Amino acid sequence: DIVVTQSPDSLAVSLGERATINCKSSQSVFYSSNNKNYLAWYQQKPGQPPKLLIYWASSRESGVPDRFSGSGSGTDFTLTISSLQAEDVAVYYCQQYYDTSYTFGQGTKLEIK
Amino acid sequence: QVQLVESGGGVVQPGRSLRLSCEASGFTFSDFAMHWVRQAPGKGLEWVAIISYDGSNKFYADSVKGRFTISRDDSKNTLYLQMNSLRAEDTAMYYCAKDVTGYSDYWGQGTLVTVSS
Repeated sequence: DIVVTQSPDSLAVSLGERATINCKSSQSVFYSSNNKNYLAWYQQKPGQPPKLLIYWASSRESGVPDRFSGSGSGTDFTLTISSLQAEDVAVYYCQQYYDTSYTFGQGTKLEIK
Repeated sequence: QVQLVESGGGVVQPGRSLRLSCEASGFTFSDFAMHWVRQAPGKGLEWVAIISYDGSNKFYADSVKGRFTISRDDSKNTLYLQMNSLRAEDTAMYYCAKDVTGYSDYWGQGTLVTVSS
């Protein structure tokens, strides 16, 4: 099974500043046949289910603010929030869907500094 | 609008069984694969199982393989998770989620399963 590891486990960023969360998979999640990285990012606020932010590593889900962006390829990926807003406080998860283990990272808790 | 509503959770003794349901609306249920994902209290997300759009393919996490069974009834727009031989470590919020080529674009609010004597 593919192991997915996020860093850091927690992060405190000032309002208006950039937040960066990393995600590393134990093997490549890139399919050369369709040139896609099988990686998604989710946001989960307390008491709520996860919400899809990013799929195919860099495609933003409809309705997600453009301050959220995803990048990376192969085994190393990044979620960036360009200008942190108060409502972005949440736990963020990456997930690989390259194979049928569909593994999630352990989560990164994002707080306001 | 897409809605997923889970039910069937509760308190159950170790070794017993429970069946969760997820009623879907707002999309053509029979066109999409569906997932179950769980979250133990205060912990991260753990993928549990997926069933293909037509029910012909099912995959499970190693932690539940042989104990849990995912199924669907397209006539009722409902997804199921039959959970047998429950253990304390199965205690979690269980979410159903709609699949889009592997990732999940809609999630239910979840149903809580507590395994305790």
